[in-house]
Amino acid sequence: EAGVTQFPSHSVIEKGQTVTLRCDPISGHDNLYWYRRVMGKEIKFLLHFVKESKQDESGMPNNRFLAERTGGTYSTLKVQPAELEDSGVYFCASSQGRDRGYETEAFFGQGTRLTVV
Amino acid sequence: AQSVAQPEDQVNVAEGNPLTVKCTYSVSGNPYLFWYVQYPNRGLQFLLKYITGDNLVKGSYGFEAEFNKSQTSFHLKKPSALVSDSALYFCAVRDSPGNTPLVFGKGTRLSVIA
Repeated sequence: EAGVTQFPSHSVIEKGQTVTLRCDPISGHDNLYWYRRVMGKEIKFLLHFVKESKQDESGMPNNRFLAERTGGTYSTLKVQPAELEDSGVYFCASSQGRDRGYETEAFFGQGTRLTVV
Repeated sequence: AQSVAQPEDQVNVAEGNPLTVKCTYSVSGNPYLFWYVQYPNRGLQFLLKYITGDNLVKGSYGFEAEFNKSQTSFHLKKPSALVSDSALYFCAVRDSPGNTPLVFGKGTRLSVIA
């Protein structure tokens, strides 16, 4: 079974440019999450999708960030325009729905390292 | 609000010695606790979780963690460290079951020296 895949693995862009990150969750996982880790700090929650709906977007830093999950499959996270403080590693994770009645852990992708210069 | 503290940025241990990576948490309800590991150039990998029941939880690669409610701790342990255990370890918590987002600590880098 394929895991959570993210691409690109690395992206270096100039301040003011646009970048789009993509995440393919594990097939059949309803829940998809975006997290971000700024160098040396905590991994912070950005957004949670259940299927194609945004369940919780309380962690999104500002309106320069836009996440979509069309059809409830893969997701994209667009940063437009990028600022220096957006640099970090962006992780995507997915988990099954809770209809089976037990606690399920989230599976993470390898992350996208974004550097804004 | 939930929070996780990993008080050590770096832990060094000799191969074959026991290791402990510390984690304390704060939640308003019952804690659901997790440990993840990140090897170089890899994503976060799930190690183990505490939901309910036995305070000692066993996980992947010989790791275990002990839930201590009175000390609000969930320290990660392994009886005998391997060089291949060298990685970045993250503790995480949520205060409700299901699929609400995790709150992570800032991570502890473990170096096992041969």
